[in-house]
Amino acid sequence: GENVEQHPSTLSVQEGDSAVIKCTYSDSASNYFPWYKQELGKRPQLIIDIRSNVGEKKDQRIAVTLNKTAKHFSLHITETQPEDSAVYFCAARVVPGGGADGLTFGKGTHLIIQP
Amino acid sequence: NAGVMQNPRHLVRRRGQEARLRCSPMKGHSHVYWYRQLPEEGLKFMVYLQKENIIDESGMPKERFSAEFPKEGPSILRIQQVVRGDSAAYFCASSPPLGQGGGYTFGSGTRLTVV
Repeated sequence: GENVEQHPSTLSVQEGDSAVIKCTYSDSASNYFPWYKQELGKRPQLIIDIRSNVGEKKDQRIAVTLNKTAKHFSLHITETQPEDSAVYFCAARVVPGGGADGLTFGKGTHLIIQP
Repeated sequence: NAGVMQNPRHLVRRRGQEARLRCSPMKGHSHVYWYRQLPEEGLKFMVYLQKENIIDESGMPKERFSAEFPKEGPSILRIQQVVRGDSAAYFCASSPPLGQGGGYTFGSGTRLTVV
């Protein structure tokens, strides 16, 4: 099955600086890569996703890049703000899966924005 | 659209009791996924269901855990004879039919505490 590795486990950056979180995946058939943000005690929420037919996607201060050859994808947050502090999870799956699969998540990155 | 509804939000059970967690998917979503999250850890896939059908239960412990998604009513995750190690947050997510997008929407979770 799919295996997703995520680094770093904790990331502390100064407010206003950029943050980068990296993930690798093992199943070359995976073609959908979402990122979730989970604030303390709350549900994971989808913040951005990318499909394998594109290499980069941007939404305001958030961007995701995908390198299918190397099987890794990254989340980039620019001009970080205190409200960006949360745990971020990357994930991968095959869409459509046709069954026998769910999203496989990385272990999460605790992003801390220092004022 | 009320989103993915989970109840109860918090559940306390004594060792040996049964825990029943309920999940109603978003309107129009026909796929339900259950994930378990231990404190300070990531989301572990448990089971993927469609109406009246378990598609993938590869993440379910072999004993005491079961899940269903009946034709009518919510999906139920049942844990029999709970033990302290079952204490965790259990998140349900739903998605549209395959081919209509890969994103999940999560519920607010049920926090199970076994005392």
